[in-house]
Amino acid sequence: NAGVTQTPKFQVLKTGQSMTLQCAQDMNHEYMSWYRQDPGMGLRLIHYSVGAGITDQGEVPNGYNVSRSTTEDFPLRLLSAAPSQTSVYFCATSAGTGFNEQFFGPGTRLTVL
Amino acid sequence: AQSVTQLDSQVPVFEEAPVELRCNYSSSVSVYLFWYVQYPNQGLQLLLKYLSGSTLVKGINGFEAEFNKSQTSFHLRKPSVHISDTAEYFCAVINDYKLSFGAGTTVTVRA
Repeated sequence: NAGVTQTPKFQVLKTGQSMTLQCAQDMNHEYMSWYRQDPGMGLRLIHYSVGAGITDQGEVPNGYNVSRSTTEDFPLRLLSAAPSQTSVYFCATSAGTGFNEQFFGPGTRLTVL
Repeated sequence: AQSVTQLDSQVPVFEEAPVELRCNYSSSVSVYLFWYVQYPNQGLQLLLKYLSGSTLVKGINGFEAEFNKSQTSFHLRKPSVHISDTAEYFCAVINDYKLSFGAGTTVTVRA
């Protein structure tokens, strides 16, 4: 059981480039979410999904897109990277609707120059 | 909207001493509260959670927290810390499928 996996671990982009952060889980969890972590601000919810085909916005969705075509995968797309998107990104999953424990991936550290 | 405030950004503590991390929440409806821990260069893992029932919640690694509705608090405590407890700790509240985190408290345990 791999749990929650994220790729890549590190990424450097130039302003304006696009990329996709991958998140995969093998726990058959319905709920998946993306957070960004910035110093002194805790984790902030970007987007979440309560099941395949269903996504919704979190606290800071601007500049990010998501889709959920399968239970296992929940990719996060940066359409046109900006320096303000420099952050550490975490994917998390949960059985049910999030009242249960959320299991976090190891994170992706993204730098936008 | 529900939110949490962690009252201390940094807490230095000596090994085997007790530690308390303070968390206040704001909510006008039922609350579901969590404490997560993040060890250096890792993701977060759940320490404990309060959904209902007893106001004293016990978690992993000897941590416990007390839900106080009148003071809108959910403080985390450990009676005797170890060097391995050095980490960042996050209080969080869930509302309508969304988990909101506090800014975090960095605990540094010194020998």
